[in-house]
Amino acid sequence: DGGITQSPKYLFRKEGQNVTLSCEQNLNHDAMYWYRQDPGQGLRLIYYSQIVNDFQKGDIAEGYSVSREKKESFPLTVTSAQKNPTAFYLCASTTGRVAGANVLTFGAGSRLTVL
Amino acid sequence: DAKTTQPPSMDCAEGRAANLPCNHSTISGNEYVYWYRQIHSQGPQYIIHGLKNNETNEMASLIITEDRKSSTLILPHATLRDTAVYYCIASGQAGTALIFGKGTTLSVSS
Repeated sequence: DGGITQSPKYLFRKEGQNVTLSCEQNLNHDAMYWYRQDPGQGLRLIYYSQIVNDFQKGDIAEGYSVSREKKESFPLTVTSAQKNPTAFYLCASTTGRVAGANVLTFGAGSRLTVL
Repeated sequence: DAKTTQPPSMDCAEGRAANLPCNHSTISGNEYVYWYRQIHSQGPQYIIHGLKNNETNEMASLIITEDRKSSTLILPHATLRDTAVYYCIASGQAGTALIFGKGTTLSVSS
């Protein structure tokens, strides 16, 4: 079945450590996104990529980095520069080609806790 | 993308219709209205979207006013499993990131 796979589902990190969250899709989607969600809040955009080897910062990119070397993959690295990284991280994708077809498919999420 | 406004919470009895309103008074002509929902601790799920006409699928109906300044998502027979946060989003360009606000928390009770 086509979909988005995020891993790991749960991750614990010590302060000062970088961690990388994986996001893989087999939907042949061009555009991919990373969102962050804090308790009781909506989703905030971290980074997005509309094509391989290109990506743009979202509203809260500081302390995060991404790469898009393959169409299927869009990993997110949470660096030690991110002051409050404990959150639920969601990856999404869409075809990105047709207006009115901006239907996002989301992964199940990765919950990061900094100890 | 146009800003949307939704009530923070709503209640609905199981088996009754749930009508979730959304205001998007500054929506432009090329912006679609999208609805997603998020069940606790899961990724959001697409429900339905539309431009001008009312839309219906197996999950819900979307009613858009003639002036397109507001819309209503209708779950015709709400079940306990419909308890979730519902997000209304207005967006126009293909591939642009959708902006999710805090949405409406719908609580369905028996």
